Amino acid sequence: QSALTQPASVSGSPGQSITISCTGTSSDVGSYNYVSWYQHHPDKAPKLIIYDVSKRPSGVSNRFSGSKSGNTASLTISGLQAEDEADYYCNSFTNSGTYVFGAGTKVTVL
Amino acid sequence: QMQLVQSGAEVKEPGASVRVSCKASGYTFTHYHMHWVRQAPGQGLEWMGIIKSDGVTTVYAQKFQGRVTVTSDTSTNTVYIELSSLRSEDSAFYYCARESPFTFNFDFWGQGTLVTVSS
Repeated sequence: QSALTQPASVSGSPGQSITISCTGTSSDVGSYNYVSWYQHHPDKAPKLIIYDVSKRPSGVSNRFSGSKSGNTASLTISGLQAEDEADYYCNSFTNSGTYVFGAGTKVTVL
Repeated sequence: QMQLVQSGAEVKEPGASVRVSCKASGYTFTHYHMHWVRQAPGQGLEWMGIIKSDGVTTVYAQKFQGRVTVTSDTSTNTVYIELSSLRSEDSAFYYCARESPFTFNFDFWGQGTLVTVSS
């Protein structure tokens, strides 16, 4: 199972919006609405920020939103803030009953 | 409050095995699946496997088949991962992560355990 494809890095200025793509196949992202996104700051545990493609857990800012079209899911961060600087990973359930992460995207706030 | 507390850092020689534990508290242990995810230095997150809430059913990533075993002890609310035939590429942070059944996401994570494989 190959990792889902994400851009290595995305950057934006405070207040701007950025979008991170996550491309899989018809065996994972394309087949299920079980795409989730995780924010990972260095030396901390990853944090769930989006599940089921577009749902936000309680307590997660509404500046984070998710969507999906075909084999590609996307995470949008609006009103970019300094605290959003982190690594972001998508994840999908697969038709093998396993899970696969994206390669990760480093978000830099300029 | 909910906690997943993992065991401490390990240093192992190539070819050895390592066992990392993850002790859960603050929720009903038998109602949740538990996953293991690792992150090697400079690399991304990598899903390794799951033990389901029944404490018996496991599914592993093909990459680790035959080398990984995940077990659960309901008497101590602890999940273990054992990885054998260690090589330098297995040096990584290992995380346990909880899943509420049929939600297909990891809603709470342990703090991570550093495993270093070196001669």
